[in-house]
Amino acid sequence: QSALTQPPSASGSPGQSVTISCAGTSSDVGGYNYVSWYQQHPGKAPKLMIYEVSKRPSGVPDRFSGSKSGNTASLTVSGLQAEDEADYYCSSYAGSNAVVFGGGTKLTVL
Amino acid sequence: EVQLVQSGAEVKKPGESLKISCKGSGYSFSSYWIGWVRQMPGKGLEWMGIIYPGDSDTRYSPSFQGQVTISADKSISTAYLQWSSLKASDTAMYYCARQASGNFGYWGQGTLVTVSS
Repeated sequence: QSALTQPPSASGSPGQSVTISCAGTSSDVGGYNYVSWYQQHPGKAPKLMIYEVSKRPSGVPDRFSGSKSGNTASLTVSGLQAEDEADYYCSSYAGSNAVVFGGGTKLTVL
Repeated sequence: EVQLVQSGAEVKKPGESLKISCKGSGYSFSSYWIGWVRQMPGKGLEWMGIIYPGDSDTRYSPSFQGQVTISADKSISTAYLQWSSLKASDTAMYYCARQASGNFGYWGQGTLVTVSS
């Protein structure tokens, strides 16, 4: 199981949109509709933001959306706000109850 | 309310053993997989493995197989992560989380393990 590939950093100005990619293989991202995205602020536990590619848990703003095409998933944050500045991690089911994470993307709100 | 409460921070010496815990409440603990996730200082999240407390079925990431042991006691709604001989490279924050359909919807607060001579 190799880690999913994310860009190390992304940025945008308040009100703009930013998209973070998450590249995997046909054995994980491409093989299952079980891609999740997590937000982690410094010193805090990760928080689930998107599950099953595009579903939002209760309480997550609809500014956060997810999609997938082939072996690559994406997280889009629209209408960027200062509090969106955090690390974002994707993950995917990889069969046999295994999960693989991406390396993480640091999102900076300029 | 679903909660996962982890044991407190630990400072250990290389070669020592350690067992940290994760107690679930607010749901049927036996019916959901519990996963463990490592985060080394300044680094990303790594999936270590999971356990199904109902029957103790356990799966490990190849990276952690043989390095740690995951267990659970459903009678007290608690999962465990243990090491028999710690190394300095085990220094990290360790999170437990409830796993369902490949995602972690609920997380513990984390247990910081520091291994230093």
